[in-house]
Amino acid sequence: QSALTQPASVSGSPGQSITISCTGTSSDVGGYNYVSWYQQHPGKAPKLMIYDVSNRPSGVSNRFSGSKSGNTASLTISGLQTEDEADYYCSSYTSSSTDVFGTGTKVTVL
Amino acid sequence: QVQLQESGPGLVKPSETLSLTCTVSGGSISSYSWSWIRQPPGKGLEWIGYMYHSKIINYNPSLKSRVTISVDMSRNQFSLKVSSVTAADTALYYCARGGYNNNWFDPWGQGTLVTVSS
Repeated sequence: QSALTQPASVSGSPGQSITISCTGTSSDVGGYNYVSWYQQHPGKAPKLMIYDVSNRPSGVSNRFSGSKSGNTASLTISGLQTEDEADYYCSSYTSSSTDVFGTGTKVTVL
Repeated sequence: QVQLQESGPGLVKPSETLSLTCTVSGGSISSYSWSWIRQPPGKGLEWIGYMYHSKIINYNPSLKSRVTISVDMSRNQFSLKVSSVTAADTALYYCARGGYNNNWFDPWGQGTLVTVSS
């Protein structure tokens, strides 16, 4: 299975909104509403930010939102803050009953 | 609050078998799915495999021939073995709880670094 495709880097100024894309195929992203997103700060374990495309776990800021269109899922961070600077990964369930992660995106707050 | 802790040797010789254990506290391993995920230094995340109810087990196709996941319900632990390791298996290894469809991972353990070197 191939990794989902994410942009290597995305940047924005404080207060702005940014969107990270996650492109797969009809056998993963496009075939199921089982896309999740993770935030990883340096030296830390990943943290779940969005699950099932657009659901936020308890405690996650509502500045984070998720969506999906066809084979591409997206994570939007609105009102960008300095603490949002981190690596972000998407993940999807697949038709083989496995999971696959995205290539990862480094978010920089300018 | 569920917590996970990985344990095992930090150094493994090439061609040998890597063995790690994940101990789950604050919740039963009989519920949810449980996964192993790894991250080579400076690189992205790679899903290794998962178990569910100690019966349903599936692996990343690229690793399937070398990986075994097992469970010890009495100790609330699940384990990972990777055989015939090479330097490419050097990574930070995480265990994580997953959704019933293995559709999300939360929480994660802190991770344990395994280096493959002679």
